[in-house]
Amino acid sequence: DVKVTQSSRYLVKRTGEKVFLECVQDMDHENMFWYRQDPGLGLRLIYFSYDVKMKEKGDIPEGYSVSREKKERFSLILESASTNQTSMYLCASSSAGQGETDTQYFGPGTRLTVL
Amino acid sequence: GESVGLHLPTLSVQEGDNSIINCAYSNSASDYFIWYKQESGKGPQFIIDIRSNMDKRQGQRVTVLLNKTVKHLSLQIAATQPGDSAVYFCAESETGANNLFFGTGTRLTVIP
Repeated sequence: DVKVTQSSRYLVKRTGEKVFLECVQDMDHENMFWYRQDPGLGLRLIYFSYDVKMKEKGDIPEGYSVSREKKERFSLILESASTNQTSMYLCASSSAGQGETDTQYFGPGTRLTVL
Repeated sequence: GESVGLHLPTLSVQEGDNSIINCAYSNSASDYFIWYKQESGKGPQFIIDIRSNMDKRQGQRVTVLLNKTVKHLSLQIAATQPGDSAVYFCAESETGANNLFFGTGTRLTVIP
C-alpha cells in the first residue's frame, strides 16, 4: 500500500512565525503535491514537484515556498504565517512522469491554525 | 481555468439503496477523471478512476460513468453502507498536466 505521512495532524502557530510542514512518501513516487482545503473551496494546489529539487507553482503559491531535497520528502514552508493561512493542508504523491497524470495518494492532512 | 463542479452538495440515502453522485466538468480536453472519498478528519482516499477512452469502469461496489458528450461524470455506489458516509470529490486532468482539478465535493449521508 502507498503510504503518505505528514509530520503533524494539528498545529497551532502565531502570526509571523515560520512554519514547516513535512510530507514523506514511501513508494518512490516522482511527483509530490501540496494542497490546502477550505470549506466551500475544495482542494487548491499550492505547489508541486516532479523531481528532486524541482518545483512548480500551483494555483495559490503566494505566501508559501517548498523544498524537495530528497525524492521521498516534500516540505511546505510558510515564511511568515498569517491568519488567512489557517486551513487543512494535504500532501499527495503520484508515480506519473512529467507531463503525465496518474492517481494521487494523499496523506492524512495537517490542520494548521494561525492565531 | 477549468471548473469542476457537483450538482448536489448533499445526498442522503437509505442503507442498502444505491447512491449516485454526479459531477460536471467544463474542459473538453480533460482525459483523466478520478473519484475520491474523504471521511471526517482524514485525507482523500482514491476510489476509482477512468480515462477518456472508456465510458464505464467498475470496481468493488462502485461504478464510474463518463459521458464526454455532455461532460458529465457519475459515481454509483451499490448497496450503500453506513461506512460510505463521507464527502466525495471528483477531479479531472488533461494530458500534459501533472495536476488534478478538484470539485468542491458532495456529502453523502447513509441513513440506517
